[in-house]
Amino acid sequence: GAGVSQSPRYKVAKRGQDVALRCDPISGHVSLFWYQQALGQGPEFLTYFQNEAQLDKSGLPSDRFFAERPEGSVSTLKIQRTQQEDSAVYLCASSQAQTGEQYFGPGTRLTVT
Amino acid sequence: AQKITQTQPGMFVQEKEAVTLDCTYDTSDPSYGLFWYKQPSSGEMIFLIYQGSYDQQNATEGRYSLNFQKARKSANLVISASQLGDSAMYFCAMREGRGFQKLVFGTGTRLLVSP
Repeated sequence: GAGVSQSPRYKVAKRGQDVALRCDPISGHVSLFWYQQALGQGPEFLTYFQNEAQLDKSGLPSDRFFAERPEGSVSTLKIQRTQQEDSAVYLCASSQAQTGEQYFGPGTRLTVT
Repeated sequence: AQKITQTQPGMFVQEKEAVTLDCTYDTSDPSYGLFWYKQPSSGEMIFLIYQGSYDQQNATEGRYSLNFQKARKSANLVISASQLGDSAMYFCAMREGRGFQKLVFGTGTRLLVSP
């Protein structure tokens, strides 16, 4: 069956450019999470959606980061005016319920030059 | 304070041997869950095993078992009969409380299985 998919897998952006990262969760999964994983570190929580509602965005590092899930399925993480410190792997995860096991996608590796 | 601590940056094990990856956690919430994920070089986080704070028995999934010592706040992962394909990063994670629950991850342990 189809798992969580993310696109693009790799993205190189020049400093100052805007980027958009896409996540396709497992069909029917209510909950969707975004995490940021810096090199050599564990993933860190960015934001959480339950259906189309963004219930927690406490992990977003600055107002340059914006996430949406308008129809409760596909989600997009947008980063405006990218900076070098934004370079990381961005992981998306989905789960059937609030407390369900989280299934992760392969991630998008963002490199800001 | 770190919520999840993994003190072993790297571990080596020979094929077919067992290996224990350490994880300690810190929480005051009586309801929590502990997870182990494997991250191969491809980058995807693969769920291995889960232990709930109220579970009476240690969790097991095939070659994976979780040595849960609640009083010590430790949740070590034991991999029996290591295989070359087990070489990867391993992350311990915790989820606290009820309702929506983000995962908090440790810094990971890199496991290398040698022939």
